[in-house]
Amino acid sequence: GAVVSQHPSWVICKSGTSVKIECRSLDFQATTMFWYRQFPKQSLMLMATSNEGSKATYEQGVEKDKFLINHASLTLSTLTVTSAHPEDSSFYICSARGTAIFYSNQPQHFGDGTRLSIL
Amino acid sequence: GESVGLHLPTLSVQEGDNSIINCAYSNSASDYFIWYKQESGKGPQFIIDIRSNMDKRQGQRVTVLLNKTVKHLSLQIAATQPGDSAVYFCAENMRQGYSTLTFGKGTMLLVSP
Repeated sequence: GAVVSQHPSWVICKSGTSVKIECRSLDFQATTMFWYRQFPKQSLMLMATSNEGSKATYEQGVEKDKFLINHASLTLSTLTVTSAHPEDSSFYICSARGTAIFYSNQPQHFGDGTRLSIL
Repeated sequence: GESVGLHLPTLSVQEGDNSIINCAYSNSASDYFIWYKQESGKGPQFIIDIRSNMDKRQGQRVTVLLNKTVKHLSLQIAATQPGDSAVYFCAENMRQGYSTLTFGKGTMLLVSP
């Protein structure tokens, strides 16, 4: 149980295009979803926290107009990288936290990430 | 032995050895800690957690030790196997509630047969 799916797992696109990444909780409802970015050989850095039905809270230094987050339902959050450039190339990972009635021994359940390469 | 690379410290061990991975956390007010394993190209996988009112917690082949005095966390893996090769991260909860995690720098564990 508690599976989080990300799509796509890998995307390559040209500089200037926008890319949307989906994060779905498959077998549980998630009130909160988190988006992380990870550069090679580095740690996960929290970008933003999104609660279903409300605006995302961005970490300091993360441009909210650049990284658009939508959390329209209890099972889906999307991250759109707008006008992507090579420096946005990274591994983007989402995680989900279940609703209060969802029992889990883990505070967050992670997806398998999306590797974004901007040419 | 243990070496520090440009970004990621690496611990190399032989199969069957016990491994100890260390983590220094930053916030003395953190009250909850987790160890994650991350294989190449995948998301973090939960290994074991510990709350600040404990010093030690054991799981299957893994033990986490917490020293709040020096803000130090360690993960011990018994009888390390090649499948344990991965990057290991500690994470701490730095804010009220248990939902927001801050990840440490990570250690790469390489297990040779």
